[in-house]
Parts: sequence; structure tokens; C-alpha cells
Amino acid sequence: SAVISQKPSRDICQRGTSLTIQCQVDSQVTMMFWYRQQPGQSLTLIATANQGSEATYESGFVIDKFPISRPNLTFSTLTVSNMSPEDSSIYLCSVELTDREPDTQYFGPGTRLTVL
Amino acid sequence: SQKIEQNSEALNIQEGKTATLTCNYTNYSPAYLQWYRQDPGRGPVFLLLIRENEKEKRKERLKVTFDTTLKQSLFHITASQPADSATYLCALSSGNTPLVFGKGTRLSVIA
Repeated sequence: SAVISQKPSRDICQRGTSLTIQCQVDSQVTMMFWYRQQPGQSLTLIATANQGSEATYESGFVIDKFPISRPNLTFSTLTVSNMSPEDSSIYLCSVELTDREPDTQYFGPGTRLTVL
Repeated sequence: SQKIEQNSEALNIQEGKTATLTCNYTNYSPAYLQWYRQDPGRGPVFLLLIRENEKEKRKERLKVTFDTTLKQSLFHITASQPADSATYLCALSSGNTPLVFGKGTRLSVIA
């Protein structure tokens, strides 16, 4: 089965700084997704990252705050910019795998971000 | 507005019993509904998908039902084991819209 890794696994950052989270998949995938999971809350989709085009952001999320790169079919980054304590959350990437049941998603282990 | 509710935040059950988790939704016409398992410190793991034209789906000790009239899905784990302890998430999509997740139910199976 596909291996999805994220770096870093966790970080503690100062207010006003930025953090870039990497997501690496060991097979080529078309659709990659970035989610946020705040304490006690459900997963919330930030954006869909397709290779070769701009990411599509969900309502409430903007490119200036969460810039995303998708340089190839196995890699994506999410940057959390100008962080505040409200950005403390777990950030997860996920993919759809073509050799699995359609419409299902497979998640990385997550990045736990704490902003002081 | 669209809403997904999982019936309880936490559910405790004795080992060997059947655990039943509920997912209700409003203002939705889902094309399919999915269940995921999430362990602490890990990403969700896909378990089962059921489509709008299916009433029931099974996989080993897991069973999912989908009632589009009641706007409800039930997720059953039979012969539950302590290793089944985790948070279970339901997620919906209308087919051409992103997956929307519920908050999850934390299941504890007590030996």
C-alpha cells in the first residue's frame, strides 16, 4: 500500500513566523488534499492541490495565509503563514489512490503545530 | 446549513459486545458515506464506503447501513475487542463536492 509521510511530525513556533509542512507519497497521485484538525473538532478541508494548477481553497481559507505548492505528482507543501495561537492544530495531507476504491482518501500521519 | 452529527462524543462498551455508532446528517444529499478510524497521534484510516443506492455493506466484523430516508448511517463492530478502541469518523460527499467529516465518536472497548 502507498506510504504517505509528513515532515515535520510536530513543531512549536512563535507567533508571527511561518512553517512549511511537507507531504510525500511513494506513488504518483492526481489529487492531494490538506486538512486541519483543531482540538475536539472535525477535519476541515483547507484546499485541494492538483499538480500543474493553482490549489483550490475552501471557504474561510486563503492563499496568502496557507500557500500550497504541488511541484510534481508525489509531493506537496502547505505553509502556515504569520502564525497566531489560533493556528495551533494538527495538519494532515491526504490522497486518492487510483488502485483503491474510488472516492476514498488515504491520510498522512499529521503534523502537530503549537503556536506560542 | 449542512450538518453532520455523530451521536455521542464517547461510547464505552464491554469486550465481545456489538458497538453501534450513529451518523446523522441534515441538508445533504450524499452520493456516498464513508467511515474512518483514527488513533491518537495518527491520521484517519479508511474503513468502509457505502453509496446512496446501497443499504448495507460488510467487511469482516464491520457493518455499515445507510438510510437516505432517515438521513442516517449506522456503523457496527461485532465481537468488539480492546484493539477496536479508537475514534471513528463518518464523512459525506455529494459526489462532486469535497468530503465533509463529523467530529467523531471515541469508542472504548473494556476488557
